This record gives sequence, C-alpha cells and structure tokens, in this order.
Amino acid sequence: NAGVMQNPRHLVRRRGQEARLRCSPMKGHSHVYWYRQLPEEGLKFMVYLQKENIIDESGMPKERFSAEFPKEGPSILRIQQVVRGDSAAYFCASSLQGAAEQYFGPGTRLTVT
Amino acid sequence: GQQLNQSPQSMFIQEGEDVSMNCTSSSIFNTWLWYKQDPGEGPVLLIALYKAGELTSNGRLTAQFGITRKDSFLNISASIPSDVGIYFCAGPNLSSGGGADGLTFGKGTHLIIQP
Repeated sequence: NAGVMQNPRHLVRRRGQEARLRCSPMKGHSHVYWYRQLPEEGLKFMVYLQKENIIDESGMPKERFSAEFPKEGPSILRIQQVVRGDSAAYFCASSLQGAAEQYFGPGTRLTVT
Repeated sequence: GQQLNQSPQSMFIQEGEDVSMNCTSSSIFNTWLWYKQDPGEGPVLLIALYKAGELTSNGRLTAQFGITRKDSFLNISASIPSDVGIYFCAGPNLSSGGGADGLTFGKGTHLIIQP
C-alpha cells in the first residue's frame, strides 16, 4: 500500500536552470496539493489540482512556477529560471475526493547554487 | 489571510512527562488536523477533528476541537524519545469551501525530550 511518492528527493540546480518535481498520489486519491517549506517554517500552500484541472493556485508565485496533473502520470511542479530564493523543501500531498485529510510525501529538497 | 498561531514554539521536557500544545486562529476552521514532522521527512497525519467540542484520541495522543472553532489542543501522555519532532496544526483554507482544500499550517511546536 504505497504512500505518496515524490522524486527526486534531492535536486541541485544552478541559477537560471529549470527544476521539475514529480509526485505520484496514493492509490485511489484524485486530489493533489503542493506546498513549500522554508527552514524553521510551516508549510505554505501553493496549488491544488485534480486530474487535468487546476482547482486553486492562489499560493503559486505568478511567474516561473507552474503545475500540472495529467490524465496519465504523476503531477509535476515546474520552476523555470530558478533563483536562490527558490531553495526550499517542496512537499506534495494527496487526498480522497471531498476529504480534508491530506497525506504527504517525503518531499523534494531543492538547492539552487 | 488565515493564520494559525501555535504555542509554545518549543518545549524541553523529560521522558515520561505529559505534553500539551495548542493552536489558535482569529478565524473559524471547520476541520483541525494535527501532523508530526521528523527531520528530512514529510508531515505525518496524527489526528483529524471535525466537530466543535470533539475530543479524539490516537494511542497516547489526544486532541480537542475548541467550542469556538478557533482553537485546538494536542496532548501527548507519557512522552517517549520517538515523540521528538515538530508538531503542526493545520486547517482547510476557506477560499473554495468544502472539505478538499489547501491547508493553512501553523509554524509548529518543536518537542525536545531530555533523557
């Protein structure tokens, strides 16, 4: 009974490169959420997706960040032209339809050099 | 926007002691969730609360949903070394309504257990 899977666990990018973070939800879960966590901080909501739809992207920066959850395959969080301030842990969570409980993956730690 | 305030920020306790932490908000939440995060890992859901006044237990953990819907507390009885970690409260954002929403998190309570 696999939980939420994220890869890679660690990602190093130089300034200006692109970062792609992947998330596979728990089996049977159709809702995916992305969060960002800075050191010593709580998690900040970024975006909420269902298959092929963005439901709420109120927490996403307006530029350089995008997310998708295609009909087939994992959800992708894409950060273009990364800057040092993008260095953080990015967590994906999933839930059943209509459920408040979200289950988190192990995260991807992005370091921008 | 919505904010959750957790206290204390950190706790230094002896093994075997009971622990109490709380979470308050200026706005109403319809659901309260408590998570624990270990270093280098994602948050793990401990307890979910759905009704004002509800008291729910999970092993040595007990959590309550405040009557005003603006607070919740988490108690841990007879702490053990593996209880070390950061405890977060969270609640669904109200922007889109319904049960499945992005979550607002508090900044966490760091629990440190001294042998």
